[in-house]
Amino acid sequence: GDSVTQMEGPVTLSEEAFLTINCTYTATGYPSLFWYVQYPGEGLQLLLKATKADDKGSNKGFEATYRKETTSFHLEKGSVQVSDSAVYFCALVNFGNEKLTFGTGTRLTIIP
Amino acid sequence: EAGVAQSPRYKIIEKRQSVAFWCNPISGHATLYWYQQILGQGPKLLIQFQNNGVVDDSQLPKDRFSAERLKGVDSTLKIQPAKLEDSAVYLCASSLARGTGELFFGEGSRLTVL
Repeated sequence: GDSVTQMEGPVTLSEEAFLTINCTYTATGYPSLFWYVQYPGEGLQLLLKATKADDKGSNKGFEATYRKETTSFHLEKGSVQVSDSAVYFCALVNFGNEKLTFGTGTRLTIIP
Repeated sequence: EAGVAQSPRYKIIEKRQSVAFWCNPISGHATLYWYQQILGQGPKLLIQFQNNGVVDDSQLPKDRFSAERLKGVDSTLKIQPAKLEDSAVYLCASSLARGTGELFFGEGSRLTVL
């Protein structure tokens, strides 16, 4: 079945550091890929998405590129802020399945 | 636009007791989902409704969990009897269309079973 593997956390960085959170997936066909974020005390919310190979999703300074050859969708940000502290989830949905499958999440803490 | 509303936010019960969670999706969203998120794990889909019909309940433990969506709007998720391993956050989400992966989540209902 479909699955998503994320780098284990927690991840702690200093403000203005470069961020990468790794995500790889296993799926048949051509899934759509997502990053969701959960800020403290809030519900999950969609951060960005990509629906086909080589697409780049971006939002709030975060980017992720759909790499079919490496089955990856790594999340990056050039300069993190304290307000980026949250739990980040990689997810996929496969055509015809409709079920959004999540990774285990990566907790990110940014230190001033 | 109002978001997805869930209640209660927190619930503590003893094993073998029952509990019910309520969800009100975003107005106009035909698809509603219940996810279970155990500490340290990603959310797992329990059940998906399209209007008031069930689309997927393959991972719902039907011997103790039940869910309904009356009139295609609000939904309730019930657990009876609860087990220790049911301790989790129960997330409700809704979406405008099926299969897009673009879900809007509520803040969740945290259940602790003692």
